[in-house]
Amino acid sequence: EADIYQTPRYLVIGTGKKITLECSQTMGHDKMYWYQQDPGMELHLIHYSYGVNSTEKGDLSSESTVSRIRTEHFPLTLESARPSHTSQYLCASSELYANTGELFFGEGSRLTVL
Amino acid sequence: DQQVKQNSPSLSVQEGRISILNCDYTNSMFDYFLWYKKYPAEGPTFLISISSIKDKNEDGRFTVFLNKSAKHLSLHIVPSQPGDSAVYFCAAQLAEYGNKLVFGAGTILRVKS
Repeated sequence: EADIYQTPRYLVIGTGKKITLECSQTMGHDKMYWYQQDPGMELHLIHYSYGVNSTEKGDLSSESTVSRIRTEHFPLTLESARPSHTSQYLCASSELYANTGELFFGEGSRLTVL
Repeated sequence: DQQVKQNSPSLSVQEGRISILNCDYTNSMFDYFLWYKKYPAEGPTFLISISSIKDKNEDGRFTVFLNKSAKHLSLHIVPSQPGDSAVYFCAAQLAEYGNKLVFGAGTILRVKS
């Protein structure tokens, strides 16, 4: 069973607020990812990290930022939330040398910006 | 540019029958394919995968078939059970992209009892 946790699960917030979505994993995985998904659409990679102090932009441009100060923690921050940021955000992790692509996902954070 | 496509948004199957979920891809360099299952309010969970050097992988009731010439893969569930009702995502991996996954839009499977 995967041990990756996201908080908050649901967040409704007003435009212009700063938000941070938390993601933590206890599996010791080096690789971590943030995906964004709208209903009925693909999961799009917005950020990833190969380890501490490593962060990269994903395939989908995002105004969010991430940090990786500790192996187990990969928070995502939006400095000024807008309605266009309304979406589900999924955090995932994997082993550094796993070549099968298997990711372990958290339960997601559903963000609504009014 | 959508590299992984699941053209059927939904599928309804009777309990005990076979469910076949389809996935097409455009990049012939993908080297691994995976299926993920997602229940409402939960994150996706890994179901089964197949390497591009194989054409079939089986795990219990789940079998994935890969047709490289057609750039097509399918997931067969036999027999289908009501607990299989979920969203199924097809995903593909390209090693030179750092093993990052490209996902399809998902297919909602409903198994009727």
